[in-house]
Amino acid sequence: GAVVSQHPSWVICKSGTSVKIECRSLDFQATTMFWYRQFPKQSLMLMATSNEGSKATYEQGVEKDKFLINHASLTLSTLTVTSAHPEDSSFYICSASGDQETQYFGPGTRLLVL
Amino acid sequence: GEDVEQSLFLSVREGDSSVINCTYTDSSSTYLYWYKQEPGAGLQLLTYIFSNMDMKQDQRLTVLLNKKDKHLSLRIADTQTGDSAIYFCAEKGADSWGKLQFGAGTQVVVTP
Repeated sequence: GAVVSQHPSWVICKSGTSVKIECRSLDFQATTMFWYRQFPKQSLMLMATSNEGSKATYEQGVEKDKFLINHASLTLSTLTVTSAHPEDSSFYICSASGDQETQYFGPGTRLLVL
Repeated sequence: GEDVEQSLFLSVREGDSSVINCTYTDSSSTYLYWYKQEPGAGLQLLTYIFSNMDMKQDQRLTVLLNKKDKHLSLRIADTQTGDSAIYFCAEKGADSWGKLQFGAGTQVVVTP
């Protein structure tokens, strides 16, 4: 149990385009989902927290207009990187929690912006 | 902000025990976690402990918590080559809305 999927697993796009990443909890209902960014050989940096049906809470320094988060259902959250630039290239990981006690992580999405 | 610190690297021989250490500063921590990350993958929840517990054992994994010293450790018995990965310690504060504070990760390399 407690499986979280992400799609796509990797994406290459041109600078200026938008990219949408999906995060799904497959076998449980996730009241809260989290989006992280991870740079090579570094820890995870929390970008935002989203609760189903409400607006996401962004961490300081994360542009909400740049990284659009939607959590429309208890099993799906999406992160859209708008007008992506090379500096947005990174490994994006989501996690989902249904009980405020444990977070289960997705496999990550590697984004490369050319 | 609150800090979580880990040593960056650990080398261990196959069959030996590994001990990964973590310290944290948040005195209101409610849960403490150990996650494993293999190359190019997401994080796998290995085990976690509630802050009013001292120890938790799950097969080859033993978690020890010293709340007074804010010290958490993960012991892996009979370490295997498949245990080679990065291990992240994380803590959740009492009023953190579920947010986790992660350490930098400990790279564990298991040698034959």
